[in-house]
Amino acid sequence: GAGVSQSPSNKVTEKGKDVELRCDPISGHTALYWYRQSLGQGLEFLIYFQGNSAPDKSGLPSDRFSAERTGGSVSTLTIQRTQQEDSAVYLCASSLREGPYEQYFGPGTRLTVT
Amino acid sequence: KQEVTQIPAALSVPEGENLVLNCSFTDSAIYNLQWFRQDPGKGLTSLLLIQSSQREQTSGRLNASLDKSSGRSTLYIAASQPGDSATYLCAVTAGNQFYFGTGTSLTVIP
Repeated sequence: GAGVSQSPSNKVTEKGKDVELRCDPISGHTALYWYRQSLGQGLEFLIYFQGNSAPDKSGLPSDRFSAERTGGSVSTLTIQRTQQEDSAVYLCASSLREGPYEQYFGPGTRLTVT
Repeated sequence: KQEVTQIPAALSVPEGENLVLNCSFTDSAIYNLQWFRQDPGKGLTSLLLIQSSQREQTSGRLNASLDKSSGRSTLYIAASQPGDSATYLCAVTAGNQFYFGTGTSLTVIP
């Protein structure tokens, strides 16, 4: 079946602009995660959604970052007033439920802030 | 806070060799441990998932072990092939979060 998809695959934006990154999880997966991977760094947890519960936003690096998940499916990660240090690959993952379930990752969105 | 470390950071081996990648974590209170591979410009592909109650998992030429009490996992790759060249990441799940290592970059030389 279809895996996790993300769009766009690449995004180049000017410093100060807002960007929106989209994630379509695997159908039926109730848990959705956003991560980012900066050059030479490990993966960094950003935010986690589980069903209709309030999201775990503990990984968001600043208040310029926000995310929504509409209808328990598609999620959008928004970065306002982008900075050069926001340049990274943003990865989305979904799993059947929260906890000890295998996560399936999308191909990522490579964001470059110039 | 959970910290995950992978050693070595990079590894280069000739084709056909067996190899071991190491992952260590600081807090043994985990749900599971997962090994991924990441190819350049692509997302992560899950290789093996070991639940906290398990000691190992096998898939084809891959075998992953977990020693929760010592905070260690190994990924064993048998008879390595050039197509195995990628970055290998381990991640532990604790609570609702995944904690990733920085990865081991593997190059298998034909």
